[in-house]
Amino acid sequence: KQEVTQIPAALSVPEGENLVLNCSFTDSAIYNLQWFRQDPGKGLTSLLLIQSSQREQTSGRLNASLDKSSGRSTLYIAASQPGDSATYLCAVRRDSGGYQKVTFGIGTKLQVIP
Amino acid sequence: GAVVSQHPSRVICKSGTSVKIECRSLDFQATTMFWYRQFPKKSLMLMATSNEGSKATYEQGVEKDKFLINHASLTLSTLTVTSAHPEDSSFYICSASQGKNTEAFFGQGTRLTVV
Repeated sequence: KQEVTQIPAALSVPEGENLVLNCSFTDSAIYNLQWFRQDPGKGLTSLLLIQSSQREQTSGRLNASLDKSSGRSTLYIAASQPGDSATYLCAVRRDSGGYQKVTFGIGTKLQVIP
Repeated sequence: GAVVSQHPSRVICKSGTSVKIECRSLDFQATTMFWYRQFPKKSLMLMATSNEGSKATYEQGVEKDKFLINHASLTLSTLTVTSAHPEDSSFYICSASQGKNTEAFFGQGTRLTVV
């Protein structure tokens, strides 16, 4: 059974700081890993998708890495802004008994203080 | 990114009635759609995976007869909560993707309150 863990559960940083969010998963046989942000009471916004054959993806101030063999991914946010405040979720996608399954972590709640 | 539209965004219903939630992929063909439920301060819980034209695959512990999922076309999947009870109140989210190694796009979620 795939388990996804995110550390820390919550993080509060002053504006401008660089920060790292961590995600670990127990089963390395994945198709891909995806990072999302969720604002309170809202759906999910996709940030970055890393295929199992890739090691990192970048979009603007965001950089996500993947080490499939060790079951880890990190999301790096550079020069954090108050608008980055949200809950960040990682999810892994894999084949399970012939069908696809996506497992989410519980998320890291980020607060960027102006 | 691609757009997934989920409707309604909020619904309040009486106990014992049924509620239908729609999930549409607006600008791509979704071969696979996922339905999730999110409890407060908890991770998203996958309820079922549906492939177009096939029966949905439900996760362990999810009642098939209570949460009816239909994926009749490549752009539409529906979740019907039958005979809703207050404990079914939750935030339900769908996602859609074109294939195994593609990005999953999410709807904005539906806040269901059963009174």
